[in-house]
Amino acid sequence: EVQLVESGGGLVQPGGSLRLSCAASGFTFSTYWMHWVRQAPGEGLVWVSRINGDGSSTSHADSVKGRFTISRDNTKKTLHLQMSSLRVEDTAVYYCASETHWAPDYWGQGTLVTVSS
Amino acid sequence: DVVMTQSPLSLPVTLGQPASISCRSSQSLAYRDGNTYLSWFQQRPGQSPRRLIYEVSSRGSGVPDRFSGSGSGTDFTLKISRVEAEDVGLYYCMQGTHWPWTFGQGTKVEVK
Repeated sequence: EVQLVESGGGLVQPGGSLRLSCAASGFTFSTYWMHWVRQAPGEGLVWVSRINGDGSSTSHADSVKGRFTISRDNTKKTLHLQMSSLRVEDTAVYYCASETHWAPDYWGQGTLVTVSS
Repeated sequence: DVVMTQSPLSLPVTLGQPASISCRSSQSLAYRDGNTYLSWFQQRPGQSPRRLIYEVSSRGSGVPDRFSGSGSGTDFTLKISRVEAEDVGLYYCMQGTHWPWTFGQGTKVEVK
C-alpha cells in the first residue's frame, strides 16, 4: 500500500524557516517525480515544487522561487521542502504527492504551516 | 500560466441524479505526444485530494465507474452518473500539459 506521511509543519513567524518532510512507502520511491502542493485555508490547490527521481532536476512556482528548496533522500525514501523567508501568504496545508500520467497520483494527509506573528 | 476555469462553482445535487462539472483552459491542453493531460480530483470534507480521472477520461485505480471524464482541446467535463452521499465535496480539474501545473478554482458538490 502506498503511503505518504508529511511532517514538520507548525507555527512560525514571518521571515522564519521551516523544513517539511514526507516519508514514502509502498512504492519504488526513487523512480517517481515527487511534488509539493499547498492549500491555503478555505482556498484551492496550488502546485509549489517538483523534483525528479534522482534529484537532479527541480523547479518551483514563481511565488516561492528563491525561498523554497525541494530535495529528496532516496536512501531514506524521504522528500523534503526547505522553506525560508516565510510570509503570511505561505500559510497553508502542504501536501506531498507522487506523480503518474503528468498529474499528482497519491497524496499525503498534509501538514499545516502557519506563518504569523 | 494556463488559467483553468470551472463551472459551476457550487452544484446542489439530488441523490441518485446525474451531475456535471465543466472545466475550461485558457490554452489547448493537447500535447505533441498525442496525449491531453487533464485530470480531475475529489476532495471530501477534511480529507486530502484524491485523483479520479487522468488524461481526460482514464479512471484511477478504485474509482467507481459512475465517474467519467470527457473533452478535448480547451473544454472538459466531469460527469457523475448517479450521485451518492459519499460524492459530496470539492472537485478540481488540473492541467499537466504546460508548466506550471494549474488547478481550477474548485466546484463544491452538495446535496440539495
